[in-house]
Amino acid sequence: EIVLTQSPDFQSVTPKEKVTITCRASQSIGSSLHWYQQKPDQSPKLIIKHASQSISGVPSRFSGSGSGTDFTLTINSLEAEDAAAYYCHQSNSLPYTFGQGTKLEIK
Amino acid sequence: QVQLQESGPGLLKPSETLSLTCTVSGGSLNNYYWSWIRQPPGKGLEWVGYIYYSGSTNYNPSLKSRVTISIDTSKNQFSLKLSSVTAADTAVYYCARRSTWHDVWGQGTLVIVSS
Repeated sequence: EIVLTQSPDFQSVTPKEKVTITCRASQSIGSSLHWYQQKPDQSPKLIIKHASQSISGVPSRFSGSGSGTDFTLTINSLEAEDAAAYYCHQSNSLPYTFGQGTKLEIK
Repeated sequence: QVQLQESGPGLLKPSETLSLTCTVSGGSLNNYYWSWIRQPPGKGLEWVGYIYYSGSTNYNPSLKSRVTISIDTSKNQFSLKLSSVTAADTAVYYCARRSTWHDVWGQGTLVIVSS
């Protein structure tokens, strides 16, 4: 099973700040890494697919990078509505797995 | 656009079988994989398993002995059964459509296992 480890677990940030969340895979997964945003009492929402591909309707301040074992989600100029938990997810091999999540709090 | 809706009992006793159904509207089951994913309260996401529209399945090894996913294309539904539940199975259960990624999710349904 591929283990995904996110860092940090929690981050308190101010609006307009730049945020970086990392996801490290226990073995190479190519670019089969996707990012989700989950707001309280909502289902996860896909925000980045295949490590760096944008999703229609998702603000351009969200971007992703990486391949192999190391991946990054970047949120430029954070907005209050970005308060949420963020999860990485690999679809390279079964069983599919998720990172433990990163909770973003807006100060 | 495609929408998914989970349904089923929200409260079970230990040792009972969890049964949930996901109804797909606005689209067909054809040519996609359909997953169940769960999330214990306050915790992260765990993939339970998927079924292809043709009926082939794959399950998380951690649950494989207790899980069955089935599909009914005539009703545009797929279902989850999880046997011998314990308190550790208490979670929000989501159904989701899987392309390579999971792009469409249901709203989730909370299942509580308690005596």
